[in-house]
Amino acid sequence: SAVISQKPSRDICQRGTSLTIQCQVDSQVTMMFWYRQQPGQSLTLIATANQGSEATYESGFVIDKFPISRPNLTFSTLTVSNMSPEDSSIYLCSVATSSSNEQFFGPGTRLTVL
Amino acid sequence: RKEVEQDPGPFNVPEGATVAFNCTYSNSASQSFFWYRQDCRKEPKLLMSVYSSGNEDGRFTAQLNRASQYISLLIRDSKLSDSATYLCVVGTGGFKTIFGAGTRLFVKA
Repeated sequence: SAVISQKPSRDICQRGTSLTIQCQVDSQVTMMFWYRQQPGQSLTLIATANQGSEATYESGFVIDKFPISRPNLTFSTLTVSNMSPEDSSIYLCSVATSSSNEQFFGPGTRLTVL
Repeated sequence: RKEVEQDPGPFNVPEGATVAFNCTYSNSASQSFFWYRQDCRKEPKLLMSVYSSGNEDGRFTAQLNRASQYISLLIRDSKLSDSATYLCVVGTGGFKTIFGAGTRLFVKA
């Protein structure tokens, strides 16, 4: 499986600011995804990061709030914009390398918004 | 109705016990099925894929019943290290996957 790293691992931010989270994979992957996991909850897909084109967002998530970049097949960023305390969560990137839908996750970024 | 529903937890079992988790899904067109394990404050990790014929990996057995739209995970001879949250995951095609809310397992000495 691919080795996935995320930066930062955690951050504490003031409301109204923005944070960009990076996801780096050690090999080229077909698909990259961004999830959110709020305390005590399961994972919710935010969007699929598409290489060279705009991300595909799930219902309830919009580009203005969660802009995503994917400049190549090994890297993606997720920005959480104009943060509020409700954005406090763990943000995880994941990758899928085959059509089997098996996904592998990065270690996550724990975000706290004050 | 949630797209993927799991047994409510937590399950508290002694070491050596056998424990089973069930998961139901609502989309009959679902194509792929997985169990993930998530330790506290860690990312989910793939435990096993679930195939129509069922599959076994050591102490873990997963089964799929398409007619009834449920999958199961059986853990035999539970270890303390099995304590975690187990996530049922269903793929609906095109890499889209839905995660269940998870079932917490505590294995006690």
